[in-house]
Amino acid sequence: QSALTQPASVSGSPGQSITISCTGTTSDVGAYNFVSWYQQPPGKAPKLMIYDVSNRPSGVSNRFSGSKSGNTASLTISGLQAEDEADYYCSSYTTSTTKVVFGGGTKLTVL
Amino acid sequence: EVQLVESGGGLVQPGGSLRLSCLASGFTFSTYNMNWVRQAPGKGLEWVSYITSSSTTTYYTDSVKGRFTISRDNAKNSLYLQMNSLRDEDTAVYYCARGVGARAFDYWGQGTLVTVSS
Repeated sequence: QSALTQPASVSGSPGQSITISCTGTTSDVGAYNFVSWYQQPPGKAPKLMIYDVSNRPSGVSNRFSGSKSGNTASLTISGLQAEDEADYYCSSYTTSTTKVVFGGGTKLTVL
Repeated sequence: EVQLVESGGGLVQPGGSLRLSCLASGFTFSTYNMNWVRQAPGKGLEWVSYITSSSTTTYYTDSVKGRFTISRDNAKNSLYLQMNSLRDEDTAVYYCARGVGARAFDYWGQGTLVTVSS
């Protein structure tokens, strides 16, 4: 069982927007503004899409945005494209001895 | 271009040892904290270990404490993970990942597969 809770799957049609939630506790998501999101296409390494809740690394499309409220963080992808189909993982810094915890991952299907 | 290339994975029996390496290029390795993150077959990501740029501080996930040791050689632009007393549940693809402080991972290698099985 993962430390952070994500939906197993989400789907959307091209051009639509989708949101993936990531629920933690007051020891991780709720304690710090250190939530990150990673995109992992099948058979490939993860790629950082969002860090520190809402910051995009250079080169990441502005169709990707992040937010947080209390113990739940969210990743929104607007203007869905076929290339967005992948697994998405959230992570958070944590007060525990395990310094970083991940969510179980969400499979995004573009219909 | 930032590149991280892992090596050293393979098949090992339970109780055995393996040393993973990660060769970094395209950035000043000695100024970045580094991490190992693993992914069991068909499963999610799991952070394993962290080391600061000057090796002064290391952290481990609870399940590998006392069995795994992270280290680095800044002169060789290399990160290592010494894995001892390996268990079936350590079977995974192991990724080397550059740290954004201690809280995120901005570049990842392609991974190296470790299989623990008799």
